[in-house]
Amino acid sequence: DTGVSQDPRHKITKRGQNVTFRCDPISEHNRLYWYRQTLGQGPEFLTYFQNEAQLEKSRLLSDRFSAERPKGSFSTLEIQRTEQGDSAMYLCASSSNMALGAFFGQGTRLTVV
Amino acid sequence: KQEVTQIPAALSVPEGENLVLNCSFTDSAIYNLQWFRQDPGKGLTSLLLIQSSQREQTSGRLNASLDKSSGRSTLYIAASQPGDSATYLCAVIIGNEKLTFGTGTRLTIIP
Repeated sequence: DTGVSQDPRHKITKRGQNVTFRCDPISEHNRLYWYRQTLGQGPEFLTYFQNEAQLEKSRLLSDRFSAERPKGSFSTLEIQRTEQGDSAMYLCASSSNMALGAFFGQGTRLTVV
Repeated sequence: KQEVTQIPAALSVPEGENLVLNCSFTDSAIYNLQWFRQDPGKGLTSLLLIQSSQREQTSGRLNASLDKSSGRSTLYIAASQPGDSATYLCAVIIGNEKLTFGTGTRLTIIP
């Protein structure tokens, strides 16, 4: 399968713990996006990378959130000191050119208890 | 700020019927528009992409149209099947950068 891959698929963590998610984009896609989706809502933009450069961050991305894409391939999203409000589906997408659209992974479901 | 609206939020129709899902956006200066399908607890599956210069795209029983001047897109599903039950999301792409999503329409096809 050469689609976007996210790991883990599910994560349950206690409030205050740190969590890290990984996204492997489609091979040779230079753009990588992170979105967050809560129940009954559409995905909300968090941040995106072109190659290893982080080009934009949403105001939703508080200082507890950090994303990296060190070699322009896979990306990680870390949430420090998790809060119950962080519970959501975290979606990753990649694109070679937005004229061709974006392709999403299966998401990581985070539950903070 | 671009806002994307999808009405209705939920729709139930008997199997076999044709149906239309609506998407509207406030800023017509979009790069393109993409329709997605999302099954419960899953990621997004791309259905159709319409370039800003195009009026419609078709894939099997699906047809998506785009009217930039009025800020509207529709997704037409012909001969609906129970397997079509899912949430359908539209997203506009602005400036060749990121997608802005609507809140989706939850579709239920009744056997």
